[in-house]
Amino acid sequence: EVQLLESGGGLVQPGGSLRLSCDASEFTFRNYAMSWVRQTPGKGLEWVSALSGSGGSTHYADSVKGRFTISRDNTKNTLYLQMNSLRVEDTAVYFCAKDRGNGAPSYIDFWGRGILVTVSS
Amino acid sequence: EIVLTQSPGTLSLSPGERATLSCRASQSLSSPSLAWYQQRPGQAPRLLIYGASSRATGIPDRFSGSGSGTDFTLTISRLEPEDSAVYYCQQYGYIPPLTFGGGTKVEI
Repeated sequence: EVQLLESGGGLVQPGGSLRLSCDASEFTFRNYAMSWVRQTPGKGLEWVSALSGSGGSTHYADSVKGRFTISRDNTKNTLYLQMNSLRVEDTAVYFCAKDRGNGAPSYIDFWGRGILVTVSS
Repeated sequence: EIVLTQSPGTLSLSPGERATLSCRASQSLSSPSLAWYQQRPGQAPRLLIYGASSRATGIPDRFSGSGSGTDFTLTISRLEPEDSAVYYCQQYGYIPPLTFGGGTKVEI
């Protein structure tokens, strides 16, 4: 079964940086686009960013554009999210998510368990 | 950006009853680019339906999706206790961004 394991979350001060990682296994990682989706505690889901299988095409939500960078290492089967200039409103559980295809973002057929990022002074 | 509006906010039903959840898009989705997810408390979301009406692998046939254009429906026939969850719709026809509805909580 597909496995997605997030790491790198925690508490950071406003204006700080954090890098999330997602280790993927049990599928051919390079063949699938990947996304990050976040969920504010007690609230709904917000798509953050997506990356094609090759890493050549990226997409971002307006709320994070210019501050977050998505990347992947297909030799390590790992997805990353570099988060800079963090704001209190970035506090959320961040899910690593596998897209059903390799191109433009579409629906997500598997989700990681999520990791909490808390931005607070 | 496509806005998805889900209704009702909460649905309280009994085991064996039928649940009908609505998702309305702010613009017509030219292809049935709509998915439904189930999120149980403390868990990650799980894909139920894609392409508006296709069930994902391993999803019981109690779950069905329908609709086109701007109006979509998720139906859960014969509710079971484990169906207590929040259900989200998501569109992928006009991206970026991918957008999700606000969710419908089903209480059993």
